[in-house]
Amino acid sequence: DIQMTQSPSTLSASVGDRVTITCRASQSISSWLAWYQQKPGKAPKLLIYKASSLESGVPSRFSGSGSGTEFTLTISSLQPDDFATYYCQQYNSYSLTFGGGTKVEIK
Amino acid sequence: EVQLVESGGGLVQPGGSLRLSCAASGFTFSSYWMSWVRQAPGKGLEWVANIKQDGSEKYYVDSVKGRFTISRDNAKNSLYLQMNSLRAEDTAVYYCARGRGANTVNFDYWGQGTLVTVSS
Repeated sequence: DIQMTQSPSTLSASVGDRVTITCRASQSISSWLAWYQQKPGKAPKLLIYKASSLESGVPSRFSGSGSGTEFTLTISSLQPDDFATYYCQQYNSYSLTFGGGTKVEIK
Repeated sequence: EVQLVESGGGLVQPGGSLRLSCAASGFTFSSYWMSWVRQAPGKGLEWVANIKQDGSEKYYVDSVKGRFTISRDNAKNSLYLQMNSLRAEDTAVYYCARGRGANTVNFDYWGQGTLVTVSS
């Protein structure tokens, strides 16, 4: 099974900061990676698919990059609505795995 | 509008069974992979199972193989998860989710979730 490792697990940042979250796969997954945002008590929301494609309706301050085993999610200028937990997910095969999550907190 | 509505969660004793349902609307259900994803209290997301559009392919996380069965009824626009031999570690909110594309299993729509609690 493919393991997904996210870092950091917690991130403290201020409004306006540039934020980067990293996700590493235990083996190559090409570009089959998605990023989600989840707020407490809510279902996850798809932000990025195929490593760098922005889902419709998602603000352009979110971007994704990477391929193979290393991927990043960047928020160019953190907004109050962005304080949440972020997860990566690989879908290189039909046996899926999520990263452990990164909680973005207010500094 | 795409909607996924889960039901069937509740309190069950260890070793018991439960059947979750997910009612889909607002899209052509038979055209999409569907999945179950769970989240234990205070923990991260864990994929549970996938099923292909026609039900011919199914995949499970190792921890539920032999205990859980995913199925679908395209005529009723419904997804199911039969859960047997439940354990305390199966306690979680269970979400149904739609694969974003015809052959992809990243998820563009999710239900609101249904809570399953396994406890004596």
